[in-house]
Amino acid sequence: GENVEQHPSTLSVQEGDSAVIKCTYSDSASNYFPWYKQELGKRPQLIIDIRSNVGEKKDQRIAVTLNKTAKHFSLHITETQPEDSAVYFCAARLAGGGNKLTFGTGTQLKVEL
Amino acid sequence: GAVVSQHPSRVICKSGTSVKIECRSLDFQATTMFWYRQFPKQSLMLMATSNEGSKATYEQGVEKDKFLINHASLTLSTLTVTSAHPEDSSFYICSARDGRENEKLFFGSGTQLSVL
Repeated sequence: GENVEQHPSTLSVQEGDSAVIKCTYSDSASNYFPWYKQELGKRPQLIIDIRSNVGEKKDQRIAVTLNKTAKHFSLHITETQPEDSAVYFCAARLAGGGNKLTFGTGTQLKVEL
Repeated sequence: GAVVSQHPSRVICKSGTSVKIECRSLDFQATTMFWYRQFPKQSLMLMATSNEGSKATYEQGVEKDKFLINHASLTLSTLTVTSAHPEDSSFYICSARDGRENEKLFFGSGTQLSVL
């Protein structure tokens, strides 16, 4: 099955700086990679996703890059704000896997004033 | 995005009792829903895939007789934790795929189960 590793586990940045979270996956057959933001005690919220036929996707301050050869993908948040503080999870879905997602271990992002 | 409703949000029960958690897709039909379990400060672990009109598919290591799943309609899946024990205490979250938005999965608000 798929295995997803995520780094770092915690990340602290100053407001206005950029934050980068990295994930690697094990199965080259994975073709869909969403990122979720989860605040304490709340549901994960989809913030951006990318398919394997695309190398980069951007939505305002958030971008995701995918390197299929190296089997890794990254989340980039620019101009961070305190409300960006949360736990971020990457995930990967195997083609033909019935939409089952395998999640990374999460990154606790703290944006300090 | 699509709306997935989950109830209750929090439940406290005595050891040995059963607890039912409901997951509803409010504005779309979901032939497949997923149930996850999340321990504090840890990732989401898939427990089972709930299929409308058929048996659920359980992940390795998840006891199907312990965690009963019923998906009787296109908008409702239920997870029943039977004979709950303190080690079953956890955050349970469901998710569903909205076919109108391709493969995007949307999550319910979660249920914090505490077994005394």
